[in-house]
Amino acid sequence: EDQVTQSPEALRLQEGESSSLNCSYTVSGLRGLFWYRQDPGKGPEFLFTLYSAGEEKEKERLKATLTKKESFLHITAPKPEDSATYLCAVRYAGNNRKLIWGLGTSLAVNP
Amino acid sequence: NAGVTQTPKFQVLKTGQSMTLQCAQDMNHEYMSWYRQDPGMGLRLIHYSVGAGITDQGEVPNGYNVSRSTTEDFPLRLLSAAPSQTSVYFCASSSGTLTSYEQYFGPGTRLTVT
Repeated sequence: EDQVTQSPEALRLQEGESSSLNCSYTVSGLRGLFWYRQDPGKGPEFLFTLYSAGEEKEKERLKATLTKKESFLHITAPKPEDSATYLCAVRYAGNNRKLIWGLGTSLAVNP
Repeated sequence: NAGVTQTPKFQVLKTGQSMTLQCAQDMNHEYMSWYRQDPGMGLRLIHYSVGAGITDQGEVPNGYNVSRSTTEDFPLRLLSAAPSQTSVYFCASSSGTLTSYEQYFGPGTRLTVT
């Protein structure tokens, strides 16, 4: 079955404490993996797209990486403003007009 | 450039009532979609459109109708509201090309059906 699983469900960090979020997927023919950030009461905001294993993208304190089975979102020296839910979604060959979404990781960064 | 806008932001309906959630985008995107987001279930696709005059069903289309008469607008109609439709609804748009599929989301509509 095509699915996307994110872990952990929730993560609490101290400011400056680096960590990683995981998104594992089981789909046939990956056509793109997307990371989004969602703040409470708002719509998801696009962060990164990754297309092939070995690819990396960076933005400020965030770096996304991709392997053949999973993606990691590395957060380096996080700040309280990085607190949000991080969502992962996958586009696949079976239906390239739809995405499969994970349930997200809720990140809290304490000052 | 307002991006994706949605109205209303909050709505309370009684069972059996109908209403339309409005969505508009000013980025000239061909692809637009409606999602609902529920705790523990993530984002689920209701309907989507790949251009004016073209719509298709997503994962959970029952009880909802859409139409796309212009590139800019993509309203979602609830035909006869049910408590199971209590949710947060998001509209999204994308240029929808093979190499550019990131979606831009609106702020959401929080709907309660009593």
